[in-house]
Amino acid sequence: EPEVTQTPSHQVTQMGQEVILRCVPISNHLYFYWYRQILGQKVEFLVSFYNNEISEKSEIFDDQFSVERPDGSNFTLKIRSTKLEDSAMYFCASSEEQHSYEQYFGPGTRLTVT
Amino acid sequence: GEDVEQSLFLSVREGDSSVINCTYTDSSSTYLYWYKQEPGAGLQLLTYIFSNMDMKQDQRLTVLLNKKDKHLSLRIADTQTGDSAIYFCGARYFNKFYFGSGTKLNVKP
Repeated sequence: EPEVTQTPSHQVTQMGQEVILRCVPISNHLYFYWYRQILGQKVEFLVSFYNNEISEKSEIFDDQFSVERPDGSNFTLKIRSTKLEDSAMYFCASSEEQHSYEQYFGPGTRLTVT
Repeated sequence: GEDVEQSLFLSVREGDSSVINCTYTDSSSTYLYWYKQEPGAGLQLLTYIFSNMDMKQDQRLTVLLNKKDKHLSLRIADTQTGDSAIYFCGARYFNKFYFGSGTKLNVKP
């Protein structure tokens, strides 16, 4: 069964460094998403992406964040100048259509900023 | 934006029914979801309900939606130890998705 994959599973970085989290969505999906979950808190929507453009973003997704689909398979989240409070689990998801009820989630990347 | 709240823990005995509750704030939400997360895995869609429905049953799962009170529940009949996981309530508002913190279900043998 096709699945969303994410690498790495755990990333440790120092405050102020840039990180890139990678996701490979399901191959025929067109809509891509990033979420984060700070430990013990809610899963928060960050951004949705379609046709090489951001279609929606939350208040959290400020200039520190960017997303890209550099080739036909990867979908990346870049966090510039990481802060301690960026430590969280980051989930990628994809869906086939914009109004599809189902999103398929990856297993997540745990980001630890020290 | 939408705010989704759910209780953090639920413990039941194997064979009992589990009821996980959730409240949301935005009555414009179009879909409401229940996702399951097992250790080390991503969120897996269990079931969903359109906002114009009151109930949906899918094998051991029953979803009840009370639109007036903005309350969603998930009932798992005959709960098994394999049902132990974190359950997330979610709401879709246009193309944004909102989730609660997750309810950790512990099933005791």
